[in-house]
Amino acid sequence: EVQLVESGGDLVKPGGSLRLSCAASGFTFNNAWMNWVRQAPGKGLEWVGRIKSKTEGGTTDYAAPLKGRFTISRDDSENTLYLQMNSLETEDTAVYYCTTGRGSCYYWGQGTLVTVSS
Amino acid sequence: DIVMTQTPLSSPVTLGQPASISCRSSQSLVHSDGNTYLSWLQQRPGQPPRLLIYEISNRFSGVPDRFSGSGAGTDFTLKISRVEVEDVGVYYCMQATQFPYTFGQGTKLEIK
Repeated sequence: EVQLVESGGDLVKPGGSLRLSCAASGFTFNNAWMNWVRQAPGKGLEWVGRIKSKTEGGTTDYAAPLKGRFTISRDDSENTLYLQMNSLETEDTAVYYCTTGRGSCYYWGQGTLVTVSS
Repeated sequence: DIVMTQTPLSSPVTLGQPASISCRSSQSLVHSDGNTYLSWLQQRPGQPPRLLIYEISNRFSGVPDRFSGSGAGTDFTLKISRVEVEDVGVYYCMQATQFPYTFGQGTKLEIK
């Protein structure tokens, strides 16, 4: 059974940093393309970025407004996906989901809540 | 960025009756590899999103066959043949043909 478990969400002040983790199991993580998607309270879905498998270059792509502040990485030895978020703004308040798949978001975690507030 | 526009934004439906949601993209979603990366997702209240349909019309694992997807190019449709109580929630279309991936605004399905 595929499982994705996000963690690391917290209350952080504007300008602060946070690193989210996503522990994956039930599939071959090192072959998987992984995405982060976020959802602000009461709002729709917003794609954050994606990382390819290392065998396909391990390259990343980001939503343009987030590039430079957010960094996606992976540790295939630990089956874990990361999202490093810097210079956080109040508009970054959202539930952050990790998802797996290329061409779609096939499996989703339960999400972790990030609140940016003074 | 490709803009995804869903209609309607709210859909009150009678139990057992069909429902239909449309999604239009601002550009063709046909990828250079020939595939069309248009998906439909369901988000029940208080739950994470769940994939229903990928590549226009392929039902994902465990999705009931009352859900179907169709369309081509820039116009796509999700149909529910007979709405059940468990179908209440918000439905999103999503394109993964071009970066950044983008979602429709969501359509809220509720029971009349």
